[in-house]
Amino acid sequence: SAVISQKPSRDICQRGTSLTIQCQVDSQVTMMFWYRQQPGQSLTLIATANQGSEATYESGFVIDKFPISRPNLTFSTLTVSNMSPEDSSIYLCSVSSGRYYEQYFGPGTRLTVT
Amino acid sequence: DQQVKQNSPSLSVQEGRISILNCDYTNSMFDYFLWYKKYPAEGPTFLISISSIKDKNEDGRFTVFLNKSAKHLSLHIVPSQPGDSAVYFCAASAQHGANNLFFGTGTRLTVIP
Repeated sequence: SAVISQKPSRDICQRGTSLTIQCQVDSQVTMMFWYRQQPGQSLTLIATANQGSEATYESGFVIDKFPISRPNLTFSTLTVSNMSPEDSSIYLCSVSSGRYYEQYFGPGTRLTVT
Repeated sequence: DQQVKQNSPSLSVQEGRISILNCDYTNSMFDYFLWYKKYPAEGPTFLISISSIKDKNEDGRFTVFLNKSAKHLSLHIVPSQPGDSAVYFCAASAQHGANNLFFGTGTRLTVIP
């Protein structure tokens, strides 16, 4: 299994500002995923990040709002830009376990935008 | 539109009894289903899965049942233990090899000692 850490674990931010969330994996992985869980909602995939290429965004998510970096096989960042209260969510990164659709998740970053 | 639904936000069960968590889906193209468990301040952890070619998969105390005609799956935990208290998410995927998992909103299970 993979051990995934995220920083920060939580933050409270002012609207209009940006926050960068870091995701570190203890092993090299090809694909990393970023999810969002809004209050009372399900986990929703934001984008898939491959090392060495542009992230692939799901419908409803755009690079200008959620830029992603993937500088190497163990690390990725997600930036939430120009935040509004609607961005208040838990953001999680995950990696594939290599078995079908099973994924390992990080502990999440709880973001509150005021 | 929510493609995977968990209509019970919470469930309380006595220790030793059976816990049954339910999940419904709308997309007939889903071919793989998973259950994840989540403790507070931790990420979801994989629990058990089932392919659409099966109707049952068992792993120890955990059994997942799939009823494709009803587009319904359930997770049975027998016997339930206090350590099973967590939020359980149902997830589904529509394409073999694809990575997009569609999650339900979760059911909070409380096992009462």
